Amino acid sequence: NAGVTQTPKFQVLKTGQSMTLQCAQDMNHNSMYWYRQDPGMGLRLIYYSASEGTTDKGEVPNGYNVSRLNKREFSLRLESAAPSQTSVYFCASTYLSWGTAVEQYFGPGTRLTVT
Amino acid sequence: EDQVTQSPEALRLQEGESSSLNCSYTVSGLRGLFWYRQDPGKGPEFLFTLYSAGEEKEKERLKATLTKKESFLHITAPKPEDSATYLCAVQSQAGTALIFGKGTTLSVSS
Repeated sequence: NAGVTQTPKFQVLKTGQSMTLQCAQDMNHNSMYWYRQDPGMGLRLIYYSASEGTTDKGEVPNGYNVSRLNKREFSLRLESAAPSQTSVYFCASTYLSWGTAVEQYFGPGTRLTVT
Repeated sequence: EDQVTQSPEALRLQEGESSSLNCSYTVSGLRGLFWYRQDPGKGPEFLFTLYSAGEEKEKERLKATLTKKESFLHITAPKPEDSATYLCAVQSQAGTALIFGKGTTLSVSS
């Protein structure tokens, strides 16, 4: 039982390059989330998927797209990276019971630098 | 607007010196309040979920309590290994995602 896994762990991009961050969970959770964490800003929600087949914008969605590939996998894509997207990205998953989150687990993070 | 405020931002304790971290929240109906621990370079580690005022949960030296406006994370006789950033988050009735506070960084020295 690996929990939530993320790839890659580290990435350096040049401005304008694109990349996809991968996330997978093996806990049979129905909801998955992408956050970014910046010093002094805390964790901010980028996008989430409350259930397979649905995605919704969070607090800071600009410059990102997501795909809920299946129940296990939720990817985050940067189409044209900008220095402002330098951050640590965390994927998380939870089981929603009648809309209420029952424990939310995080992956180890992807540290992205855009030069 | 839903909001979570944690205080203090940083806390330094001596080993064995008990204290409490505060999480104040303003939400349009609370579904749940979550506490996490985060070590440097790692993802947040789930500690507790509290669902209703008056609820308490314990894990080793940590005890979380909940009122209608705030939650406390009590740390009893802390050890250096308790040093970490502690994050609080809430889920409101209106949403499915968690809203996080900025965290309290705890340092425990021997």
